[in-house]
Amino acid sequence: EDKVVQSPLSLVVHEGDTVTLNCSYEVTNFRSLLWYKQEKKAPTFLFMLTSSGIEKKSGRLSSILDKKELFSILNITATQTGDSAVYLCAAKRPSSGDKLTFGTGTRLAVRP
Amino acid sequence: GAVVSQHPSWVICKSGTSVKIECRSLDFQATTMFWYRQFPKQSLMLMATSNEGSKATYEQGVEKDKFLINHASLTLSTLTVTSAHPEDSSFYICSAHPFSGGNNEQFFGPGTRLTVL
Repeated sequence: EDKVVQSPLSLVVHEGDTVTLNCSYEVTNFRSLLWYKQEKKAPTFLFMLTSSGIEKKSGRLSSILDKKELFSILNITATQTGDSAVYLCAAKRPSSGDKLTFGTGTRLAVRP
Repeated sequence: GAVVSQHPSWVICKSGTSVKIECRSLDFQATTMFWYRQFPKQSLMLMATSNEGSKATYEQGVEKDKFLINHASLTLSTLTVTSAHPEDSSFYICSAHPFSGGNNEQFFGPGTRLTVL
């Protein structure tokens, strides 16, 4: 059975801290890994990672994939209160339309 | 980016009634849409894959007669929760991506919060 596990489950930090969120996966015929940020409603897309070792960056957020060890990390530097959210990773499986298997999520709270 | 809408954004209904939720891709065509359910403080669980012009495929443990899916056009999929009960109360989210296959991300609708009394 396909499995995606995130850690930690929750995290509380202060503004300005750097955080690293982890995502490990066991997925048959893995294609790519996606990171989403979910605040009050639906998830918003952050990154999609397909190749190992290539870092993707967007402002203070960056992510990298290790296909040998089957994990990905999401880094957020100089955190702000607006970064408070649930961060979800999902593994994409090849099928009709590419199903996503989501992890449990990491709930991040950034205190002023 | 691509926009996906859902209607209604929230609904309250009595136990035993049926509720229809619409998912639309506003600026692209989607041959495939996905329906997820999310319980409080839990992750998204894929319920079914909605295929335009053919039957939906359901994940294990999801009752197809209870959660009816219709994907009648390339921009609209509907999920009908039949004979809803309080345990069906949840956040229902749809997603779609602009191209069939390929390696593009899915875009999510804003979700529909269903409360069954």
